[in-house]
Amino acid sequence: AQTVTQSQPEMSVQEAETVTLSCTYDTSESNYYLFWYKQPPSRQMILVIRQEAYKQQNATENRFSVNFQKAAKSFSLKISDSQLGDTAMYFCAFMKPRTGNQFYFGTGTSLTVIP
Amino acid sequence: DADVTQTPRNRITKTGKRIMLECSQTKGHDRMYWYRQDPGLGLRLIYYSFDVKDINKGEISDGYSVSRQAQAKFSLSLESAIPNQTALYFCATSDFGPGNYNEQFFGPGTRLTVL
Repeated sequence: AQTVTQSQPEMSVQEAETVTLSCTYDTSESNYYLFWYKQPPSRQMILVIRQEAYKQQNATENRFSVNFQKAAKSFSLKISDSQLGDTAMYFCAFMKPRTGNQFYFGTGTSLTVIP
Repeated sequence: DADVTQTPRNRITKTGKRIMLECSQTKGHDRMYWYRQDPGLGLRLIYYSFDVKDINKGEISDGYSVSRQAQAKFSLSLESAIPNQTALYFCATSDFGPGNYNEQFFGPGTRLTVL
């Protein structure tokens, strides 16, 4: 089974500052996908950003970007200019196509943005 | 209208009762999934289905069963509910193939409490 580790159960950041959430994973596959999902208090799971392992360029989506280090099996999420609406639980997820889109989730990082 | 819907949104039941959670989707995806979320454990896969005739066990299928009534409908049943099945349950769908990102789209979740 694949494992996904998020070593920071809780984090906080001042509004407008930058924060980085860490994620590592374990796999022997060469082709896979990585995702960050956000779960605000409404409990809806919202896709934040995705990365294909075969792409060396780090994905970016507005204020969200990733640092994908394939050799180190690391996939961290950077949130720039943090906003109060970024307060949420963040989950890192791993998927390999050969398992029919089966996702393996980390245990989550609870992020609080402080006004 | 939401693409993935779950009913009920909240449910309280008693130990030993049979309960069914329902999921419907309008995204036209073949693949559907059931997860449970527990604090500190992230999301764990219960069952997944590639199409109406293809159903597979996930990581934690004991005590659960599923039914794929149609491409758009995937139900999760607890035959005899027990308190440690108290959790937040998510249904998700995905499309698969070249040219798409293989992300999963989640329903709003069902909060189940077993007394």
